[in-house]
Amino acid sequence: AQTVTQSQPEMSVQEAETVTLSCTYDTSENNYYLFWYKQPPSRQMILVIRQEAYKQQNATENRFSVNFQKAAKSFSLKISDSQLGDTAMYFCALSNFGNEKLTFGTGTRLTIIP
Amino acid sequence: DAGVTQSPTHLIKTRGQQVTLRCSPKSGHDTVSWYQQALGQGPQFIFQYYEEEERQRGNFPDRFSGHQFPNYSSELNVNALLLGDSALYLCASSLDPAYGYTFGSGTRLTVV
Repeated sequence: AQTVTQSQPEMSVQEAETVTLSCTYDTSENNYYLFWYKQPPSRQMILVIRQEAYKQQNATENRFSVNFQKAAKSFSLKISDSQLGDTAMYFCALSNFGNEKLTFGTGTRLTIIP
Repeated sequence: DAGVTQSPTHLIKTRGQQVTLRCSPKSGHDTVSWYQQALGQGPQFIFQYYEEEERQRGNFPDRFSGHQFPNYSSELNVNALLLGDSALYLCASSLDPAYGYTFGSGTRLTVV
């Protein structure tokens, strides 16, 4: 079985600051994918960033980057220069190679303060 | 380019009734998955369809069933509704799930 844990139910940060959301996971597989999804009040899950476990280089998408520590099974999301539009629930998710269901954490509610 | 479309957006049903939720995947996507998201929780995997066959199933009872049509659209059926089935039901589609899924805005089901 695979599990994903997000230990920060809520976070808030001032606009333009940097914030890091934490995620740990457990899987017995060696090949897997990790994702961060954003869910604004509109309810639609939006893919923020993706990491392949066999790649050591941390993924980056504009203001969003990850710190992937495979041995520690840790996958944190850093948001730089935070914007009001970043306010949302953020979910960490895992899927094993060949088993494509997503296992989600319980989410972190991020509020960007003007 | 339309993304994933789900209907209806909201639905209220009575215990014991049956419900059908519908999903049109993003253009070109052939894999469709359904998730249940209870209030304040992360989504839980229900099942996945590919080439009109159920390919994987999560820990949900047989009251939850689905179908995928030749045009890749999908339906989720829930029989004998329970109060605990109240949740947001999300549909997600993909061409290659390794690259992640595109989600719809969901159907909010309330069972009274």
